[in-house]
Formats: sequence, structure tokens, C-alpha cells
Amino acid sequence: GIQVEQSPPDLILQEGANSTLRCNFSDSVNNLQWFHQNPWGQLINLFYIPSGTKQNGRLSATTVATERYSLLYISSSQTTDSGVYFCAVETGGSYIPTFGRGTSLIVHP
Amino acid sequence: SAVISQKPSRDICQRGTSLTIQCQVDSQVTMMFWYRQQPGQSLTLIATANQGSEATYESGFVIDKFPISRPNLTFSTLTVSNMSPEDSSIYLCSVSGYAEAFFGQGTRLTVV
Repeated sequence: GIQVEQSPPDLILQEGANSTLRCNFSDSVNNLQWFHQNPWGQLINLFYIPSGTKQNGRLSATTVATERYSLLYISSSQTTDSGVYFCAVETGGSYIPTFGRGTSLIVHP
Repeated sequence: SAVISQKPSRDICQRGTSLTIQCQVDSQVTMMFWYRQQPGQSLTLIATANQGSEATYESGFVIDKFPISRPNLTFSTLTVSNMSPEDSSIYLCSVSGYAEAFFGQGTRLTVV
């Protein structure tokens, strides 16, 4: 099956810093999503982005499908950005996403 | 989009007992999914809940341990049976149409 690798696995930032999270995948994908899992375990949809660039406030994402990677940018980070960020992809005729291992982000005040 | 109500949000259970988790979706969906997330790990698919037929389980998960019901297109339950401390995890239900996947709030289960 498809392999999804996220980097870095852990990230510690000071409030106000910027960061880039990366998701590499081993095969062509139909769908790609970024999620934020908050400390209570809830998965929040951030972006549905099989290709192109999207922005939502301080967050933006870019997927380059031909090169099989996606980037999530967090600018002016806040303590509420802490949590785990997951990339999930769907391939072929499957509607079941395959998740990466996630990037654990801690933002200190 | 879809709004999914999952309950309970958390529970502490004695080993050997069973817990049933419920998920209610605000619209009719064909496919519902159940995931397990062990501490510090990513999400692992347990099974696909099909309306009107038995659930389809992934390798390593069996119906006797994780029975699933799907009585209609908006509701599903997952039971964690004969629990042991190794079952302590976050359990999440999900729906996926033809684009985005959406998740319930998750159930944080601790088995003591």
C-alpha cells in the first residue's frame, strides 16, 4: 500500500515563530487532507488539498502532486496550535484515508 | 461537510467488561469507519461499517472483539469487548464521502 511519511516527527517552537511541516507520499493520490488533533483527541479538518495552494488565516498548505509531497505552513504560531498534525491520503478507488505518523507540535508561550 | 456526534467522550472501565461507543451523523452516509489510536501512535482502521450487512474488518481486528452495528445510514456503534489494559486508546468514528473525511470527537478509553 501507499506509504505516507511526515517530518519532522516532533517540533518545539516559541510563540510567534513560523514552521513548515512536510508530508511525502509514495504513489499518486486522489485526495489529501491535513488534520490537527487537539490535546483532547479531536481531529479537526484543516485543509482538503489534493493539489494546489490554500490559505486559512495563519495556516496555508501546498500540495505538489506530481512530486508527491505536501507542505503545511504555520505562521505566527500560538500556544493553541499545539497538538499533532496528521497528513492523510486516498489513492485509487479507495475512500479510506491512509494516515502518516504525524508531527507533534508544542508551542511555548 | 458532516457533523458527527460521538459518545461517550471518555470512560474508565474495568478489565473484562465491554464498552459500546455510539456515533450519530447529521446526514445519510454510505460508509462509516472506526479507528483506533493507541497512545502516541497514528490512526489504525478497525473496520468499515456497512449498512445492511456485516462490517468489513482490517487485518488484526475480529468481530468477536470489536462487534459493530450499522442499523441505518446515520448511526453506528462499536463495542470493545472483554477489555484489557492494552485496549486503552482513543477510538474514533469517521465518515468519508467522495472528498473529505470527517471525524467524531473521539472516545478516550482507559482500561484498569
